[in-house]
Amino acid sequence: GENVEQHPSTLSVQEGDSAVIKCTYSDSASNYFPWYKQELGKRPQLIIDIRSNVGEKKDQRIAVTLNKTAKHFSLHITETQPEDSAVYFCAARFTGGGNKLTFGTGTQLKVEL
Amino acid sequence: GAVVSQHPSRVICKSGTSVKIECRSLDFQATTMFWYRQFPKKSLMLMATSNEGSKATYEQGVEKDKFLINHASLTLSTLTVTSAHPEDSSFYICSASQGQTDTDTQYFGPGTRLTVL
Repeated sequence: GENVEQHPSTLSVQEGDSAVIKCTYSDSASNYFPWYKQELGKRPQLIIDIRSNVGEKKDQRIAVTLNKTAKHFSLHITETQPEDSAVYFCAARFTGGGNKLTFGTGTQLKVEL
Repeated sequence: GAVVSQHPSRVICKSGTSVKIECRSLDFQATTMFWYRQFPKKSLMLMATSNEGSKATYEQGVEKDKFLINHASLTLSTLTVTSAHPEDSSFYICSASQGQTDTDTQYFGPGTRLTVL
């Protein structure tokens, strides 16, 4: 089955700096890669996603890049703010798995003042 | 749009009792719903995939007789934890998607915190 690895597990940055979270996946047939943000005790919320026919996608301060050859994708947050502090999960959907997502282990991002 | 609700948000029950959790898509029809379990500071573990009008597909290691799933309509799926024990205490989250294609977005419910005494 699909395996998704996520690094780092914790990340602390100063307000205004950039944060980068990386994920690798095992199944080369994976075709959809969403990123979710989860605040403590709350639901995961989709913040950005990318499909396998695209190499990069940007939405204001958030961007995701995908390298299909290397089977890895990354989340980039620029000009971080305290409200960006949360746990971020990457996920991958592989072809033939129906609509199932396999999640990474999560990254606790802390933006310090 | 794409709002998913869950009820109850928190439940405390005695060991041996059964607990039913509801997951509803409020403004769209959800062909597929998913049930996850999340331990503190851990990732989301898929328990089962629920398709409207058919039997749920359980992930390896998940007991289907213990975690009963029903997806009777396009807006409602239920998870019943039968004969609950303390080790079943966890955060249960559902998600819903409109279709069954490989690229349909999953929208998550707010989760249900289950505590079994």
